[in-house]
Amino acid sequence: DAKTTQPPSMDCAEGRAANLPCNHSTISGNEYVYWYRQIHSQGPQYIIHGLKNNETNEMASLIITEDRKSSTLILPHATLRDTAVYYCIVQETSGSRLTFGEGTQLTVNP
Amino acid sequence: SQTIHQWPATLVQPVGSPLSLECTVEGTSNPNLYWYRQAAGRGLQLLFYSVGIGQISSEVPQNLSASRPQDRQFILSSKKLLLSDSGFYLCAWRTTYNSPLHFGNGTRLTVT
Repeated sequence: DAKTTQPPSMDCAEGRAANLPCNHSTISGNEYVYWYRQIHSQGPQYIIHGLKNNETNEMASLIITEDRKSSTLILPHATLRDTAVYYCIVQETSGSRLTFGEGTQLTVNP
Repeated sequence: SQTIHQWPATLVQPVGSPLSLECTVEGTSNPNLYWYRQAAGRGLQLLFYSVGIGQISSEVPQNLSASRPQDRQFILSSKKLLLSDSGFYLCAWRTTYNSPLHFGNGTRLTVT
């Protein structure tokens, strides 16, 4: 599995965009970038994933650099309920072993 | 639709007692199944995963074991709990091709 690196914590003002970075410099061609978030005392929740194109859904946008060595999760208008730990992982299409890092604690401030 | 059930939600067990946590998935067949553990304030540690009935891959060679007696049932066990086994245990599943993980609500285990 490719290893990912994320900052341990970030702060964001309510209503502003939250941009969460992730480095995955050893990603291989068949590995997708997945983002999850975990609100305190709950199971992680899937947010979005992508291979090489930028992706957008109702929760967030995912920007992947052209060389695929890094990505950014964007929450366009952060709310207090977006306070959570955000995990970036790389996942093979058919791979089974899925490991998580420590993630980024995002705190949205009023 | 697919759902995942994990129980119990909380558990307090004395040191040296046995453990059995159960996870079942509905609405899909032949899922990949996973057990993770999370210590307080830490990330997710992969314990076991399974790609089919009777097939278990272990990441953590400690006093925990896992079994998959049926296609959509995944059980985490211990014969004798240690204090260090305390934590938040999460079961998850995914299909075999380019799909996200879906997590259960977790079991918070406190070993006293």
